[in-house]
Amino acid sequence: DQQVKQNSPSLSVQEGRISILNCDYTNSMFDYFLWYKKYPAEGPTFLISISSIKDKNEDGRFTVFLNKSAKHLSLHIVPSQPGDSAVYFCAARDSGTYKYIFGTGTRLKVLA
Amino acid sequence: DAGVIQSPRHEVTEMGQEVTLRCKPISGHNSLFWYRQTMMRGLELLIYFNNNVPIDDSGMPEDRFSAKMPNASFSTLKIQPSEPRDSAVYFCASSLGHGVYEQYFGPGTRLTVT
Repeated sequence: DQQVKQNSPSLSVQEGRISILNCDYTNSMFDYFLWYKKYPAEGPTFLISISSIKDKNEDGRFTVFLNKSAKHLSLHIVPSQPGDSAVYFCAARDSGTYKYIFGTGTRLKVLA
Repeated sequence: DAGVIQSPRHEVTEMGQEVTLRCKPISGHNSLFWYRQTMMRGLELLIYFNNNVPIDDSGMPEDRFSAKMPNASFSTLKIQPSEPRDSAVYFCASSLGHGVYEQYFGPGTRLTVT
């Protein structure tokens, strides 16, 4: 039973355009959300996070949006660069256990 | 800092053999996590330690899996006996504190059980 779902296994975007990665969750106890980026043969690295009390957090080219009523968050990358090509994992923290639940990942390919 | 160190990076073993994965967390980090990555389930938390004490091992799939953290700078994940369905990438991560701070991941160990 996946509590955090990334329904798009892959996404291709042209360089310079916007990349939008989506994540849905089912547990209303989640209070903190993160995005991690993973290159081949490396571990995931933290990218950006958002608290459940906010609806937007921006860091340079990366913006995360949270829609609590829809239990949906998205990561926007603008403009997309070839170096952004990686697997992106969405993660959510359970406010009761403080455990992080990860999604299955979305592979982003930015085409030059 | 060297980051989280995992060894070996790759492990190929035959079904029934014992496998031991090793992890050295970032110095000063109090929490250590073991994850397994598969295509179907993504990153699954297997077990985590806080101050060397196992806090939650509910993600450990079976009794064949065990983990230890004898001191603040070393942890092991053991599978005995190993089975082909254990084939996956196993990540170790550490953080300053459980649930509050971001986790720093090691490069992973790719395990193949034939």
